Amino acid sequence: AQSVTQLGSHVSVSEGALVLLRCNYSSSVPPYLFWYVQYPNQGLQLLLKYTSAATLVKGINGFEAEFKKSETSFHLTKPSAHMSDAAEYFCAVSRYSSASKIIFGSGTRLSIRP
Amino acid sequence: GAVVSQHPSRVICKSGTSVKIECRSLDFQATTMFWYRQFPKQSLMLMATSNEGSKATYEQGVEKDKFLINHASLTLSTLTVTSAHPEDSSFYICSARNLADPIDEQFFGPGTRLTVL
Repeated sequence: AQSVTQLGSHVSVSEGALVLLRCNYSSSVPPYLFWYVQYPNQGLQLLLKYTSAATLVKGINGFEAEFKKSETSFHLTKPSAHMSDAAEYFCAVSRYSSASKIIFGSGTRLSIRP
Repeated sequence: GAVVSQHPSRVICKSGTSVKIECRSLDFQATTMFWYRQFPKQSLMLMATSNEGSKATYEQGVEKDKFLINHASLTLSTLTVTSAHPEDSSFYICSARNLADPIDEQFFGPGTRLTVL
């Protein structure tokens, strides 16, 4: 079975500060890992994904995530937060690819303080 | 490219009625579509996987007779909530997969907010 745990349902940072959203996964097979962003009343947009290539994955909007097998983690970071980054972020895991069944975490709401 | 639309974006209905939600892939052929529901401040839960021309595969705990899924063409899947009740009020999101795309990614629609009175 696969699962993901997002630590912190709500994270608030100041504009320009480092963004760190935490995600730990559980998987009996090598996982595919994803981060999605959801703006209010909208669907999901893929930020980045890990597919067993490079452990440091760069995504859109300046976000990146590092796959750490020893820690079973896939934390999302951005060096400098922007007001437009305020949204809900979901970590997710899949067995095969992003086109197969995806298990989502509970989400982390990111707020940006001016 | 890779745009998925949903219609309607919002719907309000009376308890006991049925509601149909459409999911369309606008610029690609979707061999597989997925239907999710999202309760307020919660994550997405997969309801079913829909393959064109075959019966949908439902996740455990999802009533297939209540949530009817039809994937009659490569660009359209529909979810019909039959005899809707207030507890069915939720945000329903579809996604589509393009088997011909080497990126092999799910593309998500903007969602449909269903409110059952």
